[in-house]
Amino acid sequence: DAGVIQSPRHEVTEMGQEVTLRCKPISGHDYLFWYRQTMMRGLELLIYFNNNVPIDDSGMPEDRFSAKMPNASFSTLKIQPSEPRDSAVYFCASSFRGLDSDTQYFGPGTRLTVL
Amino acid sequence: AQSVTQLDSQVPVFEEAPVELRCNYSSSVSVYLFWYVQYPNQGLQLLLKYLSGSTLVKGINGFEAEFNKSQTSFHLRKPSVHISDTAEYFCAVSDRSGNEKLTFGTGTRLTIIP
Repeated sequence: DAGVIQSPRHEVTEMGQEVTLRCKPISGHDYLFWYRQTMMRGLELLIYFNNNVPIDDSGMPEDRFSAKMPNASFSTLKIQPSEPRDSAVYFCASSFRGLDSDTQYFGPGTRLTVL
Repeated sequence: AQSVTQLDSQVPVFEEAPVELRCNYSSSVSVYLFWYVQYPNQGLQLLLKYLSGSTLVKGINGFEAEFNKSQTSFHLRKPSVHISDTAEYFCAVSDRSGNEKLTFGTGTRLTIIP
């Protein structure tokens, strides 16, 4: 298996622009997670899905952020409008089962820079 | 809610020397505990996890960790490190409620000195 695939790997945009990050989980995995990593706040869970349904979005910073999972093989994280403080590495992860019996497999991340 | 403290942000160690990376957690309920490793420009990879049973957990690449409930700790150890162990190491915790949320520590950067 190719693992979790994220695109783009790097994104540079200007403040106010819309940004869309994409993730393809490992085939057959029921859970999908979006994390953000920054120097100031470390690694934070933003949202996770189970069977394409959002389960916990308490980590989504504000209304500018939205995530969707239209099918089992694709998810997007959208920021509109983007701000310089959104600059971070965004990771997508997936797992077949929950933490008590499986592990989360992380993608390589998307490094977002908002100027 | 849970929290994780990794007191050492950076740990330099000579090659072939032993290392211990410290992790303490706080939680009002029983937890699962994890150690992840992040190599430069890569995603996180699971090293080991404690779910239940034996408090000494063995993981990949020769690492092990010991769960100590009374001290609320889950320190990571390796008896002899290699250059290839240079990476950032994250301790993480989750509760046992079925919520899949992982709470991570701030990470420890392990640097191996030749």
